[in-house]
Amino acid sequence: QQQVKQSPQSLIVQKGGISIINCAYENTAFDYFPWYQQFPGKGPALLIAIRPDVSEKKEGRFTISFNKSAKQFSLHIMDSQPGDSATYFCAARAGYSTLTFGKGTMLLVSP
Amino acid sequence: DGGITQSPKYLFRKEGQNVTLSCEQNLNHDAMYWYRQDPGQGLRLIYYSQIVNDFQKGDIAEGYSVSREKKESFPLTVTSAQKNPTAFYLCASSSPSEVNTEAFFGQGTRLTVV
Repeated sequence: QQQVKQSPQSLIVQKGGISIINCAYENTAFDYFPWYQQFPGKGPALLIAIRPDVSEKKEGRFTISFNKSAKQFSLHIMDSQPGDSATYFCAARAGYSTLTFGKGTMLLVSP
Repeated sequence: DGGITQSPKYLFRKEGQNVTLSCEQNLNHDAMYWYRQDPGQGLRLIYYSQIVNDFQKGDIAEGYSVSREKKESFPLTVTSAQKNPTAFYLCASSSPSEVNTEAFFGQGTRLTVV
C-alpha cells in the first residue's frame, strides 16, 4: 500500500525559530510532492510543491528539501510566526494518480 | 470567484438516516474527490471521479455513495451502513491532465451523528 509517513505529529516552536516537518515514502514512482496548510475548520490549501528533479525549492519563508536517494522530503519554515500555527500535510502522487497524504503535523508557534 | 463550495458547513444526522453532502466547483476541473478527516488520521480518500458519469472507490468507500452527473457537482451520500460517520468531510478538485496540478479543497462539512 502506498504510504507517506510524516513526523512529528505535533510541534511547538518559538516565534522566530525554524519549524521542520519530515516525510518519508516508499513508492519510487512518486513524482510530485506538495505540502498543504490547514487552519482549524478550514480546508487545506497548497503551500508549496516540488518535483524530484530538484533538491530544494524556496518560496518566501517556506522551503522544501528533497532527498531522492533517501526517499525523504521536509518542510522548513524559517522565522516562524504565530500566524503559521496550523496543521501541515505532506503528500505525494505518481503521475496522474490520486494524492497520498501523510497524517499531518500540528504546529504551534508560541509568541 | 472560482472555487469549491461545500454545503452545509455543519450537519447533524440521526442514527439510521442517510445524508447527502453537497460539493460544487466552478473551476472547470475534470476530477473531483471526497476525503474524510479524523483527528490524527490525515486525509483518507473516499471516492473520486475523473470524468462525468464515472467514479472510483478510494481507500474507505464502504458506507458511502457518490454520483457525477454534472462536471460541476459531486455529491456524497453517507448511508446508514457507515458505522462511524462523525467526521470532517472535504471535497477537492483538480485537472489531472495537467501534471503536478494542485488540488483545490472546499471548506469542509462537519457531520455529527446524534
